[in-house]
Amino acid sequence: GAGVSQSPRYKVAKRGQDVALRCDPISGHVSLFWYQQALGQGPEFLTYFQNEAQLDKSGLPSDRFFAERPEGSVSTLKIQRTQQEDSAVYLCASSSAAGTGVFGETQYFGPGTRLLVL
Amino acid sequence: AQSVTQLGSHVSVSEGALVLLRCNYSSSVPPYLFWYVQYPNQGLQLLLKYTTGATLVKGINGFEAEFKKSETSFHLTKPSAHMSDAAEYFCAVTPQGAGGTSYGKLTFGQGTILTVHP
Repeated sequence: GAGVSQSPRYKVAKRGQDVALRCDPISGHVSLFWYQQALGQGPEFLTYFQNEAQLDKSGLPSDRFFAERPEGSVSTLKIQRTQQEDSAVYLCASSSAAGTGVFGETQYFGPGTRLLVL
Repeated sequence: AQSVTQLGSHVSVSEGALVLLRCNYSSSVPPYLFWYVQYPNQGLQLLLKYTTGATLVKGINGFEAEFKKSETSFHLTKPSAHMSDAAEYFCAVTPQGAGGTSYGKLTFGQGTILTVHP
């Protein structure tokens, strides 16, 4: 079946612009994660959804970052007033886990959106 | 807080040689452990994971890893490298246990770039 898809794959923004990044998880997956991967680094957790509920947003770096998943499927990560330090690859992952991570369910990753802020 | 250390940001081997990528974790309780591979401009793909049971875990593409609690390690190995193994490899952990607030979010190491020479 289809995997996790993300769009756009590449985004160039001028400093101060708002951007919206989309994630389509695997159908039926309850859990959805966003990660940020800076150049040469490992991914870092941003936020977590269980269905439409955002249960953890502890990784969002500032209040310019906002994520939603209104119907429990597609998710959008929005960055307001982009800054150069926001340049990174934004990865979305989904899993069938109910949310506590008890059983170490696999997270399936999308290809990412590469954001460059000029 | 959990952390993951991957020793060696770059590893270079000859085709047919043993591949050894090192991963150590820091956690008060042994976590669930994962190895992911990332090819250029692609998302992360799960190679293998340890949750419970046998500590020697076999994954895709001939890779395996052994969980050693006493050494807090989860090193990745492959007996004979192929050119197609050239990629970046990430070790990741997530806490075990029900009732927590981790929701299965992953903490990644910095990554190891594997180069395979003919």
